[in-house]
Amino acid sequence: NAGVTQTPKFRILKIGQSMTLQCAQDMNHNYMYWYRQDPGMGLKLIYYSVGAGITDKGEVPNGYNVSRSTTEDFPLRLELAAPSQTSVYFCASSYGQGSYGNTIYFGEGSWLTVV
Amino acid sequence: GESVGLHLPTLSVQEGDNSIINCAYSNSASDYFIWYKQESGKGPQFIIDIRSNMDKRQGQRVTVLLNKTVKHLSLQIAATQPGDSAVYFCAENIGPRLRFGAGTRLTVKP
Repeated sequence: NAGVTQTPKFRILKIGQSMTLQCAQDMNHNYMYWYRQDPGMGLKLIYYSVGAGITDKGEVPNGYNVSRSTTEDFPLRLELAAPSQTSVYFCASSYGQGSYGNTIYFGEGSWLTVV
Repeated sequence: GESVGLHLPTLSVQEGDNSIINCAYSNSASDYFIWYKQESGKGPQFIIDIRSNMDKRQGQRVTVLLNKTVKHLSLQIAATQPGDSAVYFCAENIGPRLRFGAGTRLTVKP
């Protein structure tokens, strides 16, 4: 059982480049999330989705875009990468709204450096 | 400002001792709280959760205590082991989302 799978694991981008972080889950979860984690800090929500075709902004959405064309996949797009986007990115999913009985499971993370 | 925070950024304990990690929250409407463990280079791993209508919940070697009066959450780890060394985050739900605190690094000395 793979759970939440993220690719790539590591990536170096030049300022102004664009890229997509891939996320897939095989647990038939409805809810999916993208968080970023800066060094020594907690996780901040970028975008989330409550089902295919539905996405919504989190705390720090600027500079990112998402889509949810299928239940399984939730890619995160970085347009015009900036050094401030250097961070570790975590994708997560849950069956229902993050609450008792609907545990949110995280992927292993994608380390992104913008130079 | 942060609605979820931690009292201590680092905690060092002796192997076999009990560990207590604290967390304060400010959103009185939060009805669900979770503790995650994050090992170096890995994603957060669910440890235990608690609803706001509960004061205490126990798992395997872990106990979460919730004091709604002072908006305080704690994670107790019994007989701490070297494998417990990690950063521990508390989080509260805000609608469909989780809001995380900054984390506490637990170091277990042999």
